[in-house]
Amino acid sequence: EPEVTQTPSHQVTQMGQEVILRCVPISNHLYFYWYRQILGQKVEFLVSFYNNEISEKSEIFDDQFSVERPDGSNFTLKIRSTKLEDSAMYFCASSDLRLETQYFGPGTRLLVL
Amino acid sequence: QKEVEQDPGPLSVPEGAIVSLNCTYSNSAFQYFMWYRQYSRKGPELLMYTYSSGNKEDGRFTAQVDKSSKYISLFIRDSQPSDSATYLCAMKGQGAQKLVFGQGTRLTINP
Repeated sequence: EPEVTQTPSHQVTQMGQEVILRCVPISNHLYFYWYRQILGQKVEFLVSFYNNEISEKSEIFDDQFSVERPDGSNFTLKIRSTKLEDSAMYFCASSDLRLETQYFGPGTRLLVL
Repeated sequence: QKEVEQDPGPLSVPEGAIVSLNCTYSNSAFQYFMWYRQYSRKGPELLMYTYSSGNKEDGRFTAQVDKSSKYISLFIRDSQPSDSATYLCAMKGQGAQKLVFGQGTRLTINP
């Protein structure tokens, strides 16, 4: 069964450093998403991406964040200068053109020290 | 009022019991309703999704949507210890991309 994959599974970084989280969405999906989940809190939407551009973003997704589809299979989230409060699980998701539901990856646990 | 509300529990039931999990919502534009299962420190795993009102059954799981009451439910029959997890409801509008999640209900099935 096709699935969304994410790397790395864990990332520890120092405050102020840049991190790139990587995702491989399901191959025939065209919509891609990033969500985050701070420990003990709800899963929160960050951004959606379609046709090589951001289609929707939340207030959380400020200038420190960027997304990219560098090739035909990968989808990345970059945090330019990490803050302590960026520590969270980051989930990538994808959906097909019907937009009926979304399939999530296993997540990257980011810890900012 | 929160857009999606879900009792975080914890909920603990004996093996074999019928489990009822619920969410309420305030946004009448929501049309797609999903239930995800999340094991500790893992990604949300899609269990079921429904469009608009009605029931949907898949094995031991039944999802119900009552749009008039803005209330959705997930029923688990013959619950098993392996069903122990956090259950997340999520929903979105027609054509919308952003999923709005509930807090999640932590469920434990005791052998």
